Amino acid sequence: EDKVVQSPLSLVVHEGDTVTLNCSYEVTNFRSLLWYKQEKKAPTFLFMLTSSGIEKKSGRLSSILDKKELFSILNITATQTGDSAIYLCAVASTGNQFYFGTGTSLTVIP
Amino acid sequence: GAVVSQHPSWVICKSGTSVKIECRSLDFQATTMFWYRQFPKQSLMLMATSNEGSKATYEQGVEKDKFLINHASLTLSTLTVTSAHPEDSSFYICSASPSEGRRAYEQYFGPGTRLTVT
Repeated sequence: EDKVVQSPLSLVVHEGDTVTLNCSYEVTNFRSLLWYKQEKKAPTFLFMLTSSGIEKKSGRLSSILDKKELFSILNITATQTGDSAIYLCAVASTGNQFYFGTGTSLTVIP
Repeated sequence: GAVVSQHPSWVICKSGTSVKIECRSLDFQATTMFWYRQFPKQSLMLMATSNEGSKATYEQGVEKDKFLINHASLTLSTLTVTSAHPEDSSFYICSASPSEGRRAYEQYFGPGTRLTVT
């Protein structure tokens, strides 16, 4: 059964902390792994990863994929209250199916 | 637990016809369901929020007469694309938020429906 599992389910940190969010997957015909940030409504796209070991970076956020161990991590350094959101991981298969994790809820306390 | 299914997973239809997509929460009740459209390499675009027993709330720019949403029960929401045109070809994803017993902010996503209009 194809599935995507995120951990932890929720996380509360103080401003300035660094957090690591995890996403493991078992999806046949893997095509890409995507990270989204969801605050109120539609999730916003963060990264798309297709190759192992190549870090993608955007400001304080970075992500990397390990296709051998079937996981990805999303790092956020020097967290701010604006980082509070649900972070979704999704895996797209070559069959055009998307498998979403249930998300990690991040709360950043001032 | 917390499984959401969509049916069909893939559909091809002719221009001018209507297509209905179902979204079901299989093991929980969902007061609220969301319909998204996925653009290639882009984020999900929220089309509408569907609340059981009431009219759906459509996002700006989404034609409510074209994309009919019905949320008749706590486990089923349907999206009907009326008079489909090739530009409606896309990947449609639904998600469901549990009514109770779990964290209300969680969303459980369906696997999506690929619509191709010829």
